[in-house]
Amino acid sequence: EAGVTQFPSHSVIEKGQTVTLRCDPISGHDNLYWYRRVMGKEIKFLLHFVKESKQDESGMPNNRFLAERTGGTYSTLKVQPAELEDSGVYFCASSQIPFGTGPDGTDTQYFGPGTRLTVL
Amino acid sequence: AQSVTQLDSHVSVSEGTPVLLRCNYSSSYSPSLFWYVQHPNKGLQLLLKYTSAATLVKGINGFEAEFKKSETSFHLTKPSAHMSDAAEYFCVVSDSGTGRRALTFGSGTRLQVQP
Repeated sequence: EAGVTQFPSHSVIEKGQTVTLRCDPISGHDNLYWYRRVMGKEIKFLLHFVKESKQDESGMPNNRFLAERTGGTYSTLKVQPAELEDSGVYFCASSQIPFGTGPDGTDTQYFGPGTRLTVL
Repeated sequence: AQSVTQLDSHVSVSEGTPVLLRCNYSSSYSPSLFWYVQHPNKGLQLLLKYTSAATLVKGINGFEAEFKKSETSFHLTKPSAHMSDAAEYFCVVSDSGTGRRALTFGSGTRLQVQP
């Protein structure tokens, strides 16, 4: 079974440009998450999709970030315009247990390798 | 609000000696606790998880962790380090009582294994 995949693995852009990151979850996983780790800081939650709907976007830093998951399969995270402080590693994760069933919080999240974003 | 504190940013051990990576947590509800590992240029891999069953949790590659509610700790141990254990380890908490799925990560502990 293929794991979570992310594209690209690295991206280097100039301040003010736009970048789009893509995440393909494990097949059949309705839950998809975005996290990021900026330099020297902890990995932080950004948002959670259940199928194509945003369940929790409390971690999105500002309106320069736009996440989509059309059709409930892969997801994109667009940063427009990029700023220097957006540099870091962006992780995607997916999980299987339907949201709202069972003991939420114990659902294992499987992570992708991350996209390293450098904004110059 | 939940939080995680990893008490050591770097730990260095010799191959064949025990490993101890320390983690303390704070949670308003009954937490689920995880340890993830990230090897260089790889994604985050789940080592083990605690979900209110047995307090001593066994994971992959010989790692285990013990949930101690009275100490709010979830330290990761391994009896004998291997060179391949060199990586960054993250202690993670999820508040199962809130209904949110967001994970809260510690700052990470980089484990170095000397030959």
